[in-house]
Amino acid sequence: AQSVTQLGSHVSVSEGALVLLRCNYSSSVPPYLFWYVQYPNQGLQLLLKYTSAATLVKGINGFEAEFKKSETSFHLTKPSAHMSDAAEYFCAVSEAGNMLTFGGGTRLMVKP
Amino acid sequence: DGGITQSPKYLFRKEGQNVTLSCEQNLNHDAMYWYRQDPGQGLRLIYYSQIVNDFQKGDIAEGYSVSREKKESFPLTVTSAQKNPTAFYLCASSTENEQFFGPGTRLTVL
Repeated sequence: AQSVTQLGSHVSVSEGALVLLRCNYSSSVPPYLFWYVQYPNQGLQLLLKYTSAATLVKGINGFEAEFKKSETSFHLTKPSAHMSDAAEYFCAVSEAGNMLTFGGGTRLMVKP
Repeated sequence: DGGITQSPKYLFRKEGQNVTLSCEQNLNHDAMYWYRQDPGQGLRLIYYSQIVNDFQKGDIAEGYSVSREKKESFPLTVTSAQKNPTAFYLCASSTENEQFFGPGTRLTVL
């Protein structure tokens, strides 16, 4: 069975600092991996996805994530945080194409 | 505009009442999903449908029911059997390997 663990339910960074949101997964087959962002009282928006092509995946809003099979990780990074990045972020894994299993989410707070 | 619409955005219900949440998509996707979101628990799958006239229970289907009579529509009914229905409900549809989400409905039981 697939599962996702997001380390840190809350992460706080200063504006302009590096953003690092951690995601580890377990999967019995090569997975598809996703990061979604959710702003308050809204649906989820796809940031980026890994589908077995390049291990470094670039997404929208300056985010990127690197698939590391040996570490079963798919951490999300952004070099310089902006106030508008404050939101909740979800990592998700899929073994069978369109069925997703989500992590518990990480709320990112950005301090001025 | 192509996308997924959910209505209403906010819904209040008295205990013991059934209520139906609407989800419509014009993306021509075969698969549709309902998730429940509670603070600190991520998204949990309630029901999903891979094709019209067919649907499957997810991880937390008890107290919920769905129908899929049209490709575009996947309504969710929260029944009185659901003991703790106050939550944020998200509908999604998908291509072969990506899910797209609606804006959500926040249900509050008074």
